[in-house]
Amino acid sequence: QVQLAESGGGLVKPGGSLRLSCAASGFTFSDYYMNWIRQAPGKGLEWLSYISFTGNTIYYADSVKGRFTISRDNAKNSLYLQMNSLRAEDTAVYYCARGGQGGGWFDPWGRGTLVTVSS
Amino acid sequence: DIQMTQSPSSLSASLGDRVTITCQASQDIGNYLNWYQQRPGKAPNLLIYDASNLQRGVPSRFSGSGSGTDFTLTISSLQPEDIATYYCQHYDNLPPITFGQGTRLDIK
Repeated sequence: QVQLAESGGGLVKPGGSLRLSCAASGFTFSDYYMNWIRQAPGKGLEWLSYISFTGNTIYYADSVKGRFTISRDNAKNSLYLQMNSLRAEDTAVYYCARGGQGGGWFDPWGRGTLVTVSS
Repeated sequence: DIQMTQSPSSLSASLGDRVTITCQASQDIGNYLNWYQQRPGKAPNLLIYDASNLQRGVPSRFSGSGSGTDFTLTISSLQPEDIATYYCQHYDNLPPITFGQGTRLDIK
């Protein structure tokens, strides 16, 4: 059964840092590109970052470029998001999602982890 | 960046109704358009990929159509479990990948 499970969310002060993890199971992790997507409370979906199979190709949304870093460890079947210089507007549920084979869809998604940036 | 505009933003329909949601891209994206369903409190779930392909396990009452700039998600007969917010998403000429703003569907 294909599963993704995020962890690492919590309450952090503005300017602080947090590292999210996404544990993958039920599929060959190294065969898929991966993404982070977030959803602010009561708002829509915002794609944040993409990482290719080996990590050689990485993309970011402008809203997090220079502050967030995506990475992966294929030996550990894990995806990460290092978040620095956090702002109140980064408050959201953060989802990891597997990329589609042959196309740019997201399936499946994890359940998400809540990040709250507040003093 | 390519902008995705969904309409309507919210919709009320009766059980058994045919429901249509549209998504318009700000430029030609071919068929690089996907649809997701997000039930309250849950993660999004892929319904349709590449404009018209039904994801495995998704009920056949869901269908997608369109190409270029104009796309449609149709529910042929609304069921109680279809109450959700629906999002379109493009992946042409990335980054960035962008989603529509969402269409909230509830029962009349």
